[in-house]
Amino acid sequence: EDQVTQSPEALRLQEGESSSLNCSYTVSGLRGLFWYRQDPGKGPEFLFTLYSAGEEKEKERLKATLTKKESFLHITAPKPEDSATYLCAVIYMEYQAGTALIFGKGTTLSVSS
Amino acid sequence: ETGVTQTPRHLVMGMTNKKSLKCEQHLGHNAMYWYKQSAKKPLELMFVYSLEERVENNSVPSRFSPECPNSSHLFLHLHTLQPEDSALYLCASSQESGAYGYTFGSGTRLTVV
Repeated sequence: EDQVTQSPEALRLQEGESSSLNCSYTVSGLRGLFWYRQDPGKGPEFLFTLYSAGEEKEKERLKATLTKKESFLHITAPKPEDSATYLCAVIYMEYQAGTALIFGKGTTLSVSS
Repeated sequence: ETGVTQTPRHLVMGMTNKKSLKCEQHLGHNAMYWYKQSAKKPLELMFVYSLEERVENNSVPSRFSPECPNSSHLFLHLHTLQPEDSALYLCASSQESGAYGYTFGSGTRLTVV
């Protein structure tokens, strides 16, 4: 069964304290892995897509990496505005247009100043 | 605004009511989705419309009925819901390949009393 597991469930950091979030997946033939950010009361916001092991993507203080079994979201010198829930998802079905994603439960990050 | 607009933002309904959720996108996307988000659970895929055709009905009870009249609009018709159906209902859209991930709306917070 295809699954996505994220850890830790919650993470508290001091401003400037770098850390990583983990997303492990079991899916036959990875076709794409996504990272999203979700703020309270809002829908998830797309961050990155990764397709193959060894691939890396960066955006400001965030860097996503991918291996054959898992993905990491590295947060360098976080600021309070990085506080949010970070969601990981993988493609498990493709259609003529669009895809179906399986999501993890997310990691809720709190950064204090 | 993300480009995907959901209305209403909040809805309280009795178990015998009939209501509809509306989703609209003008991003030129060809796929649209309904997801359910409950506390402590991952996002659950409900329905997928690919090129205006329903291609996924993820074992959703018949009290939820989707409708996609054109590529820009998606509805979720609700009737005789249960209290456990209370959740955040998210609409999303994506380009044909899904490579850039979904664009989500802000969701409708549904409470069934």
